[in-house]
Amino acid sequence: AIQLTQSPSSLSASVGDRVTITCRASQGISSALAWYQQKPGKAPKLLIYDASSLESGVPSRFSGSGSGTDFTLTISSLQPEDFATYYCQQFNSYLSFGGGTKVEIK
Amino acid sequence: EVQLVESGGGLVQPGGSLKLSCAASGFTFSGSAMHWVRQASGKGLEWVGRIRSKANSYATAYAASVKGRFTISRDDSKNTAYLQMNSLKTEDTAVYYCTRHPSGWGQGTLVTVSS
Repeated sequence: AIQLTQSPSSLSASVGDRVTITCRASQGISSALAWYQQKPGKAPKLLIYDASSLESGVPSRFSGSGSGTDFTLTISSLQPEDFATYYCQQFNSYLSFGGGTKVEIK
Repeated sequence: EVQLVESGGGLVQPGGSLKLSCAASGFTFSGSAMHWVRQASGKGLEWVGRIRSKANSYATAYAASVKGRFTISRDDSKNTAYLQMNSLKTEDTAVYYCTRHPSGWGQGTLVTVSS
């Protein structure tokens, strides 16, 4: 099974900060990676698919990059509604998820 | 708009069984693979398994943690996917989501395994 390692597991940031979350796959997955945002009590929401394609309706401050084994989610200017937990997901072989990154208010 | 509605969750004793349903609308269900994902309270997301379409022989795959105990099926005439859970353990306690990858998630249904 393909393992995904996300870092950091949590971070504190202020509104307006640039935030970067990384995801490393245990083997190459090409660009078969998605990023999700989850708020308490809610289902995950798709932000990015195919590593760098922005889902329709998602603000352009979210961006994704990478291929192979190393991937990054960047929030260019953190907004109050962005405080949530973020997960990477690979879909090269079945599905698997990273452990999550909780973004908290500083 | 993709809509997925899970049902069938509840409290069950260890060793018991439960069958979850996922009613779909807003997309061509018969042509779509459907996945089940679970999340224990305060924990991350865990893929449970998936079923592919008729064109892909309804092929199923499962996470190691549930293989041999859980079975995924579908009824394309009812636009519904199912998750049959047998020999339930306390560690199966979680919110169970069905999802049509990559977007389209249900609201989840809570399964509690406890005596």
